[in-house]
Amino acid sequence: DTAVSQTPKYLVTQMGNDKSIKCEQNLGHDTMYWYKQDSKKFLKIMFSYNNKELIINETVPNRFSPKSPDKAHLNLHINSLELGDSAVYFCASSQVGGLMETQYFGPGTRLLVL
Amino acid sequence: AQSVSQHNHHVILSEAASLELGCNYSYGGTVNLFWYVQYPGQHLQLLLKYFSGDPLVKGIKGFEAEFIKSKFSFNLRKPSVQWSDTAEYFCAVKSNNDMRFGAGTRLTVKP
Repeated sequence: DTAVSQTPKYLVTQMGNDKSIKCEQNLGHDTMYWYKQDSKKFLKIMFSYNNKELIINETVPNRFSPKSPDKAHLNLHINSLELGDSAVYFCASSQVGGLMETQYFGPGTRLLVL
Repeated sequence: AQSVSQHNHHVILSEAASLELGCNYSYGGTVNLFWYVQYPGQHLQLLLKYFSGDPLVKGIKGFEAEFIKSKFSFNLRKPSVQWSDTAEYFCAVKSNNDMRFGAGTRLTVKP
C-alpha cells in the first residue's frame, strides 16, 4: 500500500478556476505538509498541520488554503488559479518528535495553469 | 535568516567517478540533517539522515554524508557513481518544527 498518496497526479486547468489536490497518508503520522516545487526544482514548504492545527504557514497567497478533515488527510485548495501557480505540489507526512523523524513524500501533483 | 545552501547546481560525471555534493546551513542550535533524492519523474526519497552520534552517516545505494558541526556542513559522497544515480539531490535541515530544503543539485552521470 502507498504510504502517502496524492490525487490527481496531473491537473491542467484555466486561469481563474478553483481546484483542490487531495493527500492521504496511512502511516499514522501526526503531521502533514505541502510543498511547492517550481520549474527550477526549488522546494518551498507551504503549510504543515499537526493534529488539525496549522503550525507553519509560509508567506503563500491566501488563495491557497489547506484543509484537514482528519489527521490522515491534508487537502490543498487553490482559488483563482494564476499562471505562476504552475508547479509540482508535494504532500509529505512525519511523526513529529519521533527519535528518527523523517518526512515521507507523496508522488506529487503536476499542476499546469493555462 | 536561516538557510540551506547547495553550491553545485549541476554536476556532470562519468560512471565510476567519485561524487561529493556540498551542503551548508545557517541554523543555530540543534539540527537534524537529511539528504533526499528525486529520480526523474518520481517523488522525493530519503537517502540518509543524521540526528546524533557518529557524524559519518551511511545511507542507501552506497551514499554517505559527513556532518561537520564547525563548518555547518553535511556533504554527500559516493566513491563510484552509476548511471542510475542520475537524479536531483536535495539537502534538508530541520530545526525545531522548521524544515527547509536546499535548491537542489542535478547530477548527470554519463554512461
